[in-house]
Amino acid sequence: QQQVKQSPQSLIVQKGGISIINCAYENTAFDYFPWYQQFPGKGPALLIAIRPDVSEKKEGRFTISFNKSAKQFSLHIMDSQPGDSATYFCAASNAGNMLTFGGGTRLMVKP
Amino acid sequence: DAGVIQSPRHEVTEMGQEVTLRCKPISGHDYLFWYRQTMMRGLELLIYFNNNVPIDDSGMPEDRFSAKMPNASFSTLKIQPSEPRDSAVYFCASSLSSDRPFYGYTFGSGTRLTVV
Repeated sequence: QQQVKQSPQSLIVQKGGISIINCAYENTAFDYFPWYQQFPGKGPALLIAIRPDVSEKKEGRFTISFNKSAKQFSLHIMDSQPGDSATYFCAASNAGNMLTFGGGTRLMVKP
Repeated sequence: DAGVIQSPRHEVTEMGQEVTLRCKPISGHDYLFWYRQTMMRGLELLIYFNNNVPIDDSGMPEDRFSAKMPNASFSTLKIQPSEPRDSAVYFCASSLSSDRPFYGYTFGSGTRLTVV
């Protein structure tokens, strides 16, 4: 019930392409869905987040799409750059102070 | 604020030795989390504290692992005795429960532990 399933585990995209990472959840009480970005040697850092009252949130080249009925949300990185190469984690929280993390996706953007 | 501060950044120790990892959360944050990250298992929650009190330690692998939070500004994760399979990156994170809406955690830069 508390799981968040993330796919794919790894992703290779050419520079300028679109990177798409998907997450699915079961707990309908989740009400906050952040994405974290982690560079090598660093801790995960909050990248962008969405709440279920909207279906999409965009910040620069990063967009979260949220499908409440399907219990899925995804991160889209437009015009992917080599500097976007990192590990991305989706997460979810249910009105509290606890995050449940997905398994992570290692993104490599080739020049 | 300097963020969540972890020390040491890297630790290499021999099997059987005691290892202590340290964390200073963001001032005023009342939740503190310890995570372990490996390629095989991703991010695993080991234990978390609320107002210095351990709330859930069900993620602690075994009795060799222990964690303390003697005050609001300091926490330790101890492994005794250490084993090669404990090699991983250990992260500390903190958050503020009164943040509404909730904004998530702030992670430290981690401690890379290698047990040889």
